[in-house]
Amino acid sequence: DQQVKQNSPSLSVQEGRISILNCDYTNSMFDYFLWYKKYPAEGPTFLISISSIKDKNEDGRFTVFLNKSAKHLSLHIVPSQPGDSAVYFCAASGGGGSNYKLTFGKGTLLTVNP
Amino acid sequence: DVKVTQSSRYLVKRTGEKVFLECVQDMDHENMFWYRQDPGLGLRLIYFSYDVKMKEKGDIPEGYSVSREKKERFSLILESASTNQTSMYLCASRKPRGGSYEQYFGPGTRLTVT
Repeated sequence: DQQVKQNSPSLSVQEGRISILNCDYTNSMFDYFLWYKKYPAEGPTFLISISSIKDKNEDGRFTVFLNKSAKHLSLHIVPSQPGDSAVYFCAASGGGGSNYKLTFGKGTLLTVNP
Repeated sequence: DVKVTQSSRYLVKRTGEKVFLECVQDMDHENMFWYRQDPGLGLRLIYFSYDVKMKEKGDIPEGYSVSREKKERFSLILESASTNQTSMYLCASRKPRGGSYEQYFGPGTRLTVT
């Protein structure tokens, strides 16, 4: 039972345009959401997060939007740069169980073309 | 900056061997985690430890064990390596504090079992 879903395995965007990565979750007990970025042969690095009490969080070119009623979050990257090409993982915490754990989606490979 | 290091970047072992993967963090974090990453499956939690000598099973603990004798070190043990344990292994750590669930990852160990 996949509680965090990233339904697009890949996304291709032109440099300078907006990249929108989507994530859906099924567990209404999740109360904190994170996005990680991963380059090949490296560990994931934290990008941005949002608490369930907010609907938007912005950090430079990165903005995360949360729609609790739809159990949906999205990561917007504006403007996209070639160095943003990586796998992006959505993760959630809470879930009614241990708050130590993160539940990850399967990831979306973003390719930003020059 | 938080630093999480893993003992090897690449490892090749034979079926049936006992394998030790070591992880060390230098930021006095209480929580430590072991994940494996496989194409199309995202990050899956194997085991985690919320403090020294404490451990809990994650989502896929079968075939693995862990050891946490010191706060900074968390070891993953493959008792008898099998080819289906060929994967990228990622260690992470976290300091529990109010409102933050961010985990910091090491660079990963690419394990091949032949």
